[in-house]
Amino acid sequence: DVKVTQSSRYLVKRTGEKVFLECVQDMDHENMFWYRQDPGLGLRLIYFSYDVKMKEKGDIPEGYSVSREKKERFSLILESASTNQTSMYLCASSSLKGGQNQPQHFGDGTRLSIL
Amino acid sequence: KQEVTQIPAALSVPEGENLVLNCSFTDSAIYNLQWFRQDPGKGLTSLLLIQSSQREQTSGRLNASLDKSSGRSTLYIAASQPGDSATYLCAVRGGSEKLVFGKGMKLTVNP
Repeated sequence: DVKVTQSSRYLVKRTGEKVFLECVQDMDHENMFWYRQDPGLGLRLIYFSYDVKMKEKGDIPEGYSVSREKKERFSLILESASTNQTSMYLCASSSLKGGQNQPQHFGDGTRLSIL
Repeated sequence: KQEVTQIPAALSVPEGENLVLNCSFTDSAIYNLQWFRQDPGKGLTSLLLIQSSQREQTSGRLNASLDKSSGRSTLYIAASQPGDSATYLCAVRGGSEKLVFGKGMKLTVNP
């Protein structure tokens, strides 16, 4: 089975801090994604990556950056955390092998609170 | 811009009922549609993926159908159980790797 692991289930940080959220997948997937999920707004894509050192902006990239130095690891960085970044953050991965119709697999999420 | 809608936002039913969950999307140019389940405080679990060339997919008590031309998908749950209680989300994939999600439908199955 595909395993997507997010390093923290719960995280509490202060405004202005630099925050790192880590995600690791064990299936050699090319694609990795970061979403945030908020009540009433659903899941929104922040960034995704289709290869090492490659990244593309999603729908709400402002205030975030990402890093993908190794294929299995995709990091989300909040450069200077603000209270409006309090949210549930979800990482996902998918394969390019086998064609276009490969499902995305999700981690358990990190609930981040910025005080 | 693709928009995905799930109505109603919540549903409460007694155990044993057969259920139909609805998903509609505005742009029929999709590669596939995926149904997910999300338990409270958890991530998403992939249930079924229907390719644009397919009409339906089945897994156990779940059956998902796709009518691309009308922009609709349904998830059918047979003989619902309390363990089916969760939020169900549908998502469509267009020309890129990105998924566009509906806001989900919270299902409660009462014993």
